[in-house]
Amino acid sequence: DAMVIQNPRYQVTQFGKPVTLSCSQTLNHNVMYWYQQKSSQAPKLLFHYYDKDFNNEADTPDNFQSRRPNTSFCFLDIRSPGLGDAAMYLCATSRDRDVETQYFGPGTRLLVL
Amino acid sequence: AQSVAQPEDQVNVAEGNPLTVKCTYSVSGNPYLFWYVQYPNRGLQFLLKYITGDNLVKGSYGFEAEFNKSQTSFHLKKPSALVSDSALYFCAVRTNTNAGKSTFGDGTTLTVKP
Repeated sequence: DAMVIQNPRYQVTQFGKPVTLSCSQTLNHNVMYWYQQKSSQAPKLLFHYYDKDFNNEADTPDNFQSRRPNTSFCFLDIRSPGLGDAAMYLCATSRDRDVETQYFGPGTRLLVL
Repeated sequence: AQSVAQPEDQVNVAEGNPLTVKCTYSVSGNPYLFWYVQYPNRGLQFLLKYITGDNLVKGSYGFEAEFNKSQTSFHLKKPSALVSDSALYFCAVRTNTNAGKSTFGDGTTLTVKP
């Protein structure tokens, strides 16, 4: 029944060592989002894909990249993780933008040592 | 620019009492308003949304919210709180003029005591 799946649920990496987080969906939604959430704060949108179109937020650091090889999968790449990148990373999908509900995955908690 | 305010970091209620979690918003154009709930170490779960029509929206788990355009508010309510309602609640706003970007409030921690 899982609709938005994130792997792994917990990820430990070393300072500066590239890491990739994975998100997949069974909803066939057009839009996939990546959010960063720190310490129960509001989720912060990093970027989203509308189909194959990548939409980066202006304040997202270059250290964060994303790939969407097909409708079902989307990846978050952190090229050189710093201690400040430790957070919960949430993937979400929606059928379209605007009025459509976003469906969130369980999140991946990233720890940087 | 769009914004959401949740004025209370924490709300405490006794089980069986009504609860209200407050949300106000600021947008240009028509707002689309959402409430999500987050349990520890989990993603956000959709509760309800207002797009258009009836100002009173009913959602999951007995929650409801009332859209008030004049007060630019969308408060979340439940007539009788359960201990299992204890969680972090986020209000969010979207418009059709901002490429579907959601702006979230800072969240309100609801604690329901037995």
